[in-house]
Amino acid sequence: EDKVVQSPLSLVVHEGDTVTLNCSYEVTNFRSLLWYKQEKKAPTFLFMLTSSGIEKKSGRLSSILDKKELFSILNITATQTGDSAVYLCAEYSGGGADGLTFGKGTHLIIQP
Amino acid sequence: DVKVTQSSRYLVKRTGEKVFLECVQDMDHENMFWYRQDPGLGLRLIYFSYDVKMKEKGDIPEGYSVSREKKERFSLILESASTNQTSMYLCASFKGGGAYEQYFGPGTRLTVT
Repeated sequence: EDKVVQSPLSLVVHEGDTVTLNCSYEVTNFRSLLWYKQEKKAPTFLFMLTSSGIEKKSGRLSSILDKKELFSILNITATQTGDSAVYLCAEYSGGGADGLTFGKGTHLIIQP
Repeated sequence: DVKVTQSSRYLVKRTGEKVFLECVQDMDHENMFWYRQDPGLGLRLIYFSYDVKMKEKGDIPEGYSVSREKKERFSLILESASTNQTSMYLCASFKGGGAYEQYFGPGTRLTVT
């Protein structure tokens, strides 16, 4: 059973739309929730979330964590074609063999 | 800026060959990881290392081994490559100790024929 579940798996929207990507996770040894953007290369770091209810913002992207309901959302407003990518979320559970557990990603396509 | 480099971007090997994938980071990070990424399966952890000469198995270590002789370098070894090891391999590192941002290398696309 997957520990980190992202939805939707894929999404196609028009430029200018606002999108919300979802990530739910398990609670065992939870330390932080991370979001990455992956285009045709390795993932690049977007946000790290450790506290509930505190929004992190970077330009048109923002993210928030709900530790009670065990999920996070990534919002992108006024989308642009350059936002097309796979967005990955990952749960960090600390040391041992866990490292980061990634979801399968949401493939976002922005149409002009 | 953190820089994580991998020895090859593309690699083609034959079944049964021994394959070395090398990863180097220049920010004195303690923790280094090897993942493979396959369509529909996402990123899966193969091995990680939290210090020199220390290693831990991830989710899918079978068929792989690793070596960390120096802090900046983490090698992934396929002892006898098989076609089901055709994949994108990603190396990553982070500092730890409260700094959980993980930085990825550019990836190595390995094809085993």
